[in-house]
Amino acid sequence: EAQVTQNPRYLITVTGKKLTVTCSQNMNHEYMSWYRQDPGLGLRQIYYSMNVEVTDKGDVPEGYKVSRKEKRNFPLILESPSPNQTSLYFCASIYRVRGKMNTEAFFGQGTRLTVV
Amino acid sequence: AQRVTQPEKLLSVFKGAPVELKCNYSYSGSPELFWYVQYSRQRLQLLLRHISRESIKGFTADLNKGETSFHLKKPFAQEEDSAMYYCALSDHRIKAAGNKLTFGGGTRVLVKP
Repeated sequence: EAQVTQNPRYLITVTGKKLTVTCSQNMNHEYMSWYRQDPGLGLRQIYYSMNVEVTDKGDVPEGYKVSRKEKRNFPLILESPSPNQTSLYFCASIYRVRGKMNTEAFFGQGTRLTVV
Repeated sequence: AQRVTQPEKLLSVFKGAPVELKCNYSYSGSPELFWYVQYSRQRLQLLLRHISRESIKGFTADLNKGETSFHLKKPFAQEEDSAMYYCALSDHRIKAAGNKLTFGGGTRVLVKP
């Protein structure tokens, strides 16, 4: 079954304690992306990756890092979490063929992070 | 810069009534528009895209380039339509910049019995 898997689903942590949220897809997609979802603000892109070892900032990258060492995995790293990073995070694996209108994003289940 | 605006945060309708979710976008390129839906405790999933011009679960959406809108409509709402709906935009022509899928703020639809 084609899917995007995020872990953990829920996480409560303290300010400054490094954490990693994992994301894995089994669809062999080149494009992956991280979003945070906040009430009234919708989904905002944190980072995206076009392929292995190719990543770039989205709209709200401050305080986050990512890596893409292999195609299937795209972890989100918070080196020193702060309370303003309390949010619902979604990983997306995106099917697209460059130059064609057939984009579709497949989302993970979400990770609800609370930083106290 | 791409921008997607959903002016209504909440739409409350009665079962059987029509529902229209507004979406306006700003982008000078060649946009690809989508509606994504998030049912309670489920992940976001694609509802429909403008290029396919199909009706999904009774919903339709027409891209109006003159008004830069992509409103989502359903003539007779059902209780199972209660969910969070997001309008999204992508530019399929982006080359080196990667895939930027921009979402609106979302509209919560509540269909009352």
